[in-house]
Amino acid sequence: NAGVTQTPKFQVLKTGQSMTLQCAQDMNHEYMSWYRQDPGMGLRLIHYSVGAGITDQGEVPNGYNVSRSTTEDFPLRLLSAAPSQTSVYFCASRSTGQVNYEQYFGPGTRLTVT
Amino acid sequence: AQKVTQAQTEISVVEKEDVTLDCVYETRDTTYYLFWYKQPPSGELVFLIRRNSFDEQNEISGRYSWNFQKSTSSFNFTITASQVVDSAVYFCALSEEGTGFQKLVFGTGTRLLVSP
Repeated sequence: NAGVTQTPKFQVLKTGQSMTLQCAQDMNHEYMSWYRQDPGMGLRLIHYSVGAGITDQGEVPNGYNVSRSTTEDFPLRLLSAAPSQTSVYFCASRSTGQVNYEQYFGPGTRLTVT
Repeated sequence: AQKVTQAQTEISVVEKEDVTLDCVYETRDTTYYLFWYKQPPSGELVFLIRRNSFDEQNEISGRYSWNFQKSTSSFNFTITASQVVDSAVYFCALSEEGTGFQKLVFGTGTRLLVSP
């Protein structure tokens, strides 16, 4: 199993550009989520999904869109990038039947918006 | 509302010293789960332990041990005989029943520097 994979690993955008961060998992996990990590702030939840076709907002959803058309994939879209979205983004997954189990995290995407 | 506080921003120790990382949490729920994750300099997040709110037994895993005390809402992490490879940022996190366990709230992390 590859676990949780994220692409790209690094990205530089100009203000106003759009892009999609990709996340995929091969563990058949129903639950997937996106976090951003900023210095001194820990990880904050952006959006999450409990299954294909179901998404919901986390703590910091503004400026981001998600959709979940398959169990495996959970892309995060930035429609108009802003410098405030410079961060490291982590995707995570777990089985919804194991709410007490840890989430498996991807390796992260480092995004810089200039 | 759920909240996790890691008051220690950075700790520096010399190899072989013992070190304790503090974690204090807030929740109104009686059913919740607590986690510790390690983030080494390479950047990935490594799961260390989970604990449910009904299990206050301390846990030991090699040089690592965890002390869960509901009376003080704390879930502290001790590394015995620290090693340079323990240098990392450590995060404490909370998931509660009130959110359907759908949201994992992290503390701001404690950076541990272990020097030879």
